Amino acid sequence: KQEVTQIPAALSVPEGENLVLNCSFTDSAIYNLQWFRQDPGKGLTSLLLIQSSQREQTSGRLNASLDKSSGRSTLYIAASQPGDSATYLCAVRKNYGQNFVFGPGTRLSVLP
Amino acid sequence: DTGVSQDPRHKITKRGQNVTFRCDPISEHNRLYWYRQTLGQGPEFLTYFQNEAQLEKSRLLSDRFSAERPKGSFSTLEIQRTEQGDSAMYLCASSLGQIGSSYNSPLHFGNGTRLTVT
Repeated sequence: KQEVTQIPAALSVPEGENLVLNCSFTDSAIYNLQWFRQDPGKGLTSLLLIQSSQREQTSGRLNASLDKSSGRSTLYIAASQPGDSATYLCAVRKNYGQNFVFGPGTRLSVLP
Repeated sequence: DTGVSQDPRHKITKRGQNVTFRCDPISEHNRLYWYRQTLGQGPEFLTYFQNEAQLEKSRLLSDRFSAERPKGSFSTLEIQRTEQGDSAMYLCASSLGQIGSSYNSPLHFGNGTRLTVT
């Protein structure tokens, strides 16, 4: 059974810092991995999608990497801003079926 | 692209009542998903449609839950005889996928329906 964990559960940083969020999954047989952000009381917003054949994806100040063999992904946020404050979740799609399994998220606070 | 739309945004109901939620996916997306999320947790998969066919159902989807996507466009999720444990955010997502291919476009979520059972 695929399990996804995220460390840390919460993180508070001053504005301008670079930071790394971690995602681990137990079964390396995945099709892809997706990172999302969620603002309080809202749905999830897609940030980056990495196919299993890819090693990383970049969008603006965000860079996500994928190491399937070790069951890990990282989300790097450069020059953090207060507007980045949200919960960040990763999800993996298993290589059978269409079910995405989510981690519990990392709650990020960027202090001005 | 008007995004994924869910209705209602909030629903308060008494235990034992039936409720129905609606999801309108992004128009060209053939895949539609329902998830449930409780406070402090990631979303949990409930069910998935490819066009009008319901292809996967989680064990979380008890016989009180039913989902339909009659014409391969919008979907409804009905909960019968609601219980307090059903209180959660119900999220709908859609994506574009090719049959027989592992490729998936990114999942796009709606803002969810928050259900409170009193």
